[in-house]
Amino acid sequence: EDKVVQSPLSLVVHEGDTVTLNCSYEVTNFRSLLWYKQEKKAPTFLFMLTSSGIEKKSGRLSSILDKKELFSILNITATQTGDSAVYLCAGRYNNNDMRFGAGTRLTVKP
Amino acid sequence: NAGVTQTPKFRVLKTGQSMTLLCAQDMNHEYMYWYRQDPGMGLRLIHYSVGEGTTAKGEVPDGYNVSRLKKQNFLLGLESAAPSQTSVYFCASSPPRTGWTDTQYFGPGTRLTVL
Repeated sequence: EDKVVQSPLSLVVHEGDTVTLNCSYEVTNFRSLLWYKQEKKAPTFLFMLTSSGIEKKSGRLSSILDKKELFSILNITATQTGDSAVYLCAGRYNNNDMRFGAGTRLTVKP
Repeated sequence: NAGVTQTPKFRVLKTGQSMTLLCAQDMNHEYMYWYRQDPGMGLRLIHYSVGEGTTAKGEVPDGYNVSRLKKQNFLLGLESAAPSQTSVYFCASSPPRTGWTDTQYFGPGTRLTVL
């Protein structure tokens, strides 16, 4: 059984669109949820969320965690072609285990 | 600071051969991790270490061994490579939980092909 599940697996939008990426996680020993962007090589860190209901923002990207419903969303507004990437969600657990979702492949067309 | 580096960047092995992947970090991080990433899948944790001299199994440890003899280095060994181990391997490091950051810093990856 997967600990972290992302949806959709892929998404194609046009520049200027707003997208919402979803991530659900298993609660047992949960500590924090992280979002990463992966283009061609190594993932780069976007957000870490530990508290429910507090939105984290960075430019056009924002993310929030719902610890009651066990999910997080990543929003990207006014998408640009440079946002095209795989977005990975990961749950970090108290035993230092890290579990990644399969990722959402976002393609932004001009 | 170089951050997290991995050696080698690419490698092709024949079935049954052995090799060691080296991960080094210069950020004085306590925690280090080895992941593999296969097409269409996220990263899967192989082994991790919470300090020098300690290692623990992750989600997919079979067929791999690790060692953390020095704080800055984390080695991943394949004793008898199999085609199923063809993958991209990422190393990561992180500081202990400080109460405000829990992020991991990733190396550039090693692409391994086992024929």
